[in-house]
Amino acid sequence: GAGVSQSPSNKVTEKGKDVELRCDPISGHTALYWYRQSLGQGLEFLIYFQGNSAPDKSGLPSDRFSAERTGGSVSTLTIQRTQQEDSAVYLCASSLDGYLYEQYFGPGTRLTVT
Amino acid sequence: QQQVKQSPQSLIVQKGGISIINCAYENTAFDYFPWYQQFPGKGPALLIAIRPDVSEKKEGRFTISFNKSAKQFSLHIMDSQPGDSATYFCAASMQAAGNKLTFGGGTRVLVKP
Repeated sequence: GAGVSQSPSNKVTEKGKDVELRCDPISGHTALYWYRQSLGQGLEFLIYFQGNSAPDKSGLPSDRFSAERTGGSVSTLTIQRTQQEDSAVYLCASSLDGYLYEQYFGPGTRLTVT
Repeated sequence: QQQVKQSPQSLIVQKGGISIINCAYENTAFDYFPWYQQFPGKGPALLIAIRPDVSEKKEGRFTISFNKSAKQFSLHIMDSQPGDSATYFCAASMQAAGNKLTFGGGTRVLVKP
């Protein structure tokens, strides 16, 4: 079907609130990745799913960040007690598998913490 | 530790000219090197990629040159067009580690008509 979709496209939240960001990968893609893009840090890896399992969570910056994937499809990235330094564009990518195939990115969710 | 270093940060090229972007990596376990193109407000789009068993790959006006011994790779954009004006990111990954991408800092390219 269509490419990777993410929602919402923009999110403004107050410091201290929790937010959920959603990613719908390309149908049939078993691997799913979350990245963050910010002016200060560039593009950085957050977490990788193969199916519903997350073998690599090494990029999550703190325990306020968590992610899950259900049904081998949709993924949600949750940020608890948001801080201003969490302001960034959160990008999701999917791949046919996590080894041999290219990653295709969604348009991202721009998160602004006020 | 910045594992992939990209230069220059920005460049301006005339229409029809050649844009050259360079990247250097540190981790010799990297085995996949893609380039992404990103327009404002959009996600990165895969442009071209190379694996370390070849020294050059060409797709249309885009060429990757890869030097394994120097741990460097570069993107050449031939006959640059105004529509090529975008930010370009090099990246590197390891298949054995699920192919999570480590990105360079990006190069903003402006092609003047």
